[in-house]
Amino acid sequence: NAGVTQTPKFQVLKTGQSMTLQCAQDMNHEYMSWYRQDPGMGLRLIHYSVGAGITDQGEVPNGYNVSRSTTEDFPLRLLSAAPSQTSVYFCASSHMWSSYNSPLHFGNGTRLTVT
Amino acid sequence: KNEVEQSPQNLTAQEGEFITINCSYSVGISALHWLQQHPGGGIVSLFMLSSGKKKHGRLIATINIQEKHSSLHITASHPRDSAVYICAPRSYNTDKLIFGTGTRLQVFP
Repeated sequence: NAGVTQTPKFQVLKTGQSMTLQCAQDMNHEYMSWYRQDPGMGLRLIHYSVGAGITDQGEVPNGYNVSRSTTEDFPLRLLSAAPSQTSVYFCASSHMWSSYNSPLHFGNGTRLTVT
Repeated sequence: KNEVEQSPQNLTAQEGEFITINCSYSVGISALHWLQQHPGGGIVSLFMLSSGKKKHGRLIATINIQEKHSSLHITASHPRDSAVYICAPRSYNTDKLIFGTGTRLQVFP
């Protein structure tokens, strides 16, 4: 039982490059989400999913795409990286709020630098 | 005004001291999480509570829904408790978590 696996741990991109941050969980969680963490600010929700085939925007979705083709995987795509996307990214998952008294499980984070 | 305010922002303590971290929020909530983030970045869920008090080892979390306030207490603090502690209430209206900016705790031997 690996929990939430997030890759890569570090990434440096040039402006305009694209990349995908991977997130996988093996706990059969319905809810998966991506956050970014910037100095002096709380975690901010980028996108989330409540099940395979269902995604929705969080509070800072611009510049990011997601898809959820399976329960286990929830990749985050940067189509054209910008310096403003330099941040630490966290994937998190849980059972659905209303059904379970369920804590969030976080991945170990990806530190992304866009130059 | 931020929807979630944590205090203090920074806290230093000697090993063995009793620690209190406070969280005030302005929205109606259905539950509140306390998270721990160690240097190096990993985030761990400590508690999720919607009323009263929960205890796990040396950690105690309390919440007063009427006063929109929660506290995290650490008894007999230890250097391994050094971390950032994050309060995250879940909005009743939007069902989204709202994260505080965290309290950085350093416990010295």
